[in-house]
Amino acid sequence: EDQVTQSPEALRLQEGESSSLNCSYTVSGLRGLFWYRQDPGKGPEFLFTLYSAGEEKEKERLKATLTKKESFLHITAPKPEDSATYLCAVPLKGGSEKLVFGKGTKLTVNP
Amino acid sequence: DAGITQSPRHKVTETGTPVTLRCHQTENHRYMYWYRQDPGHGLRLIHYSYGVKDTDKGEVSDGYSVSRSKTEDFLLTLESATSSQTSVYFCAISDRGDTDTQYFGPGTRLTVL
Repeated sequence: EDQVTQSPEALRLQEGESSSLNCSYTVSGLRGLFWYRQDPGKGPEFLFTLYSAGEEKEKERLKATLTKKESFLHITAPKPEDSATYLCAVPLKGGSEKLVFGKGTKLTVNP
Repeated sequence: DAGITQSPRHKVTETGTPVTLRCHQTENHRYMYWYRQDPGHGLRLIHYSYGVKDTDKGEVSDGYSVSRSKTEDFLLTLESATSSQTSVYFCAISDRGDTDTQYFGPGTRLTVL
């Protein structure tokens, strides 16, 4: 069964304390992995798409990387405004438009 | 931001009543999706549409129906709402489907008493 697991479920950091979030998946023949940010009471906001192992993408303090089994979202010197829930998702195998989402990591950055 | 609106944004209804949620887009994207988000489950696909009058089921489609008579509108109907359908509902759109990026609307919080 296609599955996406995110860890940790919750993470508390001090401002400036770098860390990483993990997204592991069991979908075979990965055709893309998506990262989203979700603020309370809002819809998910697209961050990155990664398509192949070794690919990296950056946006401000965030960098996403992809291996054959997992993806990491690295947060460098986070600020309180980076506090949010981060979601990852992969397409189901078989040419489908259906995304399978992980349950998310809730990040809190304290000033 | 992708031009996606959802209405209503909040709704409280009683068990057994019909409910229709609307998603409207101004991006002329072909694909539209309905998800629900619940604590401990994450986002789960209910139904999606790959064109006008073309729809398919997702992971949690029981108790829901959809319709798409125009490119810009995708309706989600709960024929007879149950308390288990209390959730936050999100609409999403994408241009090409498959591995194309999905963009999400602001959500509708539905409470079924």
